[in-house]
Amino acid sequence: QQPVQSPQAVILREGEDAVINCSSSKALYSVHWYRQKHGEAPVFLMILLKGGEQKGHEKISASFNEKKQQSSLYLTASQLSYSGTYFCGTAASGGSNYKLTFGKGTLLTVNP
Amino acid sequence: GAVVSQHPSRVICKSGTSVKIECRSLDFQATTMFWYRQFPKKSLMLMATSNEGSKATYEQGVEKDKFLINHASLTLSTLTVTSAHPEDSSFYICSAKRGGYNEQFFGPGTRLTVL
Repeated sequence: QQPVQSPQAVILREGEDAVINCSSSKALYSVHWYRQKHGEAPVFLMILLKGGEQKGHEKISASFNEKKQQSSLYLTASQLSYSGTYFCGTAASGGSNYKLTFGKGTLLTVNP
Repeated sequence: GAVVSQHPSRVICKSGTSVKIECRSLDFQATTMFWYRQFPKKSLMLMATSNEGSKATYEQGVEKDKFLINHASLTLSTLTVTSAHPEDSSFYICSAKRGGYNEQFFGPGTRLTVL
């Protein structure tokens, strides 16, 4: 089942923060976050495995609450380059049955 | 590291012709490759999963005789759209995954336009 992302879109001014949420109705093995710019392929941001961890990548971090089957992506002090559509992809299992199901995406626009 | 290429980046073809898209992992061995399709402003829809040396596993609703997938080596997978029609026009993206790792890395995508 497709994970649900919220919000669908968000507009920020440079330097502002944003949170993008991803929730699933199924138990999750991992959550993957990607950013896609118009006309380009998705770029891998980070992966979170079950165990309730949090990861950071410069000013972008994410958390994964395994019990709630939710993940959140945190963008702090946003930059113009952060603009794009953010997708979460979820996997119910690893190993040979591994595959990702992507949410509908969150369009982030950062204005000067 | 973890670079995936796709070729061609754009292709325009006539209805009824077949088109082959190549996906290569340039600096790692990809035990599994995935093929996605994306319509404008829409999410990525998984078409099929291919493991090196074995038949691809297609998602429900994807015609395996229309979308032929071959994963002959650990660095190359191909998707052939057979007898293409205008409704097959889309952005096709591959991704690759190393054995024992969970991350998928995407290629730059191929925009197919069928006239």
